[in-house]
Amino acid sequence: EPEVTQTPSHQVTQMGQEVILRCVPISNHLYFYWYRQILGQKVEFLVSFYNNEISEKSEIFDDQFSVERPDGSNFTLKIRSTKLEDSAMYFCASSESSGTYEQYFGPGTRLTVT
Amino acid sequence: GNSVTQMEGPVTLSEEAFLTINCTYTATGYPSLFWYVQYPGEGLQLLLKATKADDKGSNKGFEATYRKETTSFHLEKGSVQVSDSAVYFCALKKVTGGGNKLTFGTGTQLKVEL
Repeated sequence: EPEVTQTPSHQVTQMGQEVILRCVPISNHLYFYWYRQILGQKVEFLVSFYNNEISEKSEIFDDQFSVERPDGSNFTLKIRSTKLEDSAMYFCASSESSGTYEQYFGPGTRLTVT
Repeated sequence: GNSVTQMEGPVTLSEEAFLTINCTYTATGYPSLFWYVQYPGEGLQLLLKATKADDKGSNKGFEATYRKETTSFHLEKGSVQVSDSAVYFCALKKVTGGGNKLTFGTGTQLKVEL
């Protein structure tokens, strides 16, 4: 069964460093998403992406964050200058279309900022 | 804004016990409602969904009914198994201009013991 994959599974970085989290969505899907979950808190929406542009973003997704689909298969989340409070599990998801179509999630990348 | 409230875990049950995980929501209009499950080391998987009032979603013995009058979507299973041990997330989605973001609860960890 097709699945969303994410790399790395765990990333440790120092405060102020740039990180790139990578995701490979399911191949025929057109909508892509990033969510995050700070330990003990809710899973929060960050951004959705369709047709090579951001279609919606949350208040969390400020200028420090960016997303890209560089090569037609990968979908990346970049954090330009990490803060301690960026430590979280980051989930990538994709869906075939909008509306009630299921979002398929990857296993997550645990980001630890020290 | 939209929000989802779930009962806190962990919930510990013996095998074959009855399961209820409470979920209530706040939203304008008519959201779609979902239960996702996360097994250890894996991504979030859609367990079931309901898209309108009084719909019942069901899958793998789990059920949840969309109750608009009580703004609830409680998850139930008549007889749990050890293999049901996981974290369960309630979520809602409102389609807004193509964003399709999911709003999640905090998740409820279920442990089923022999």
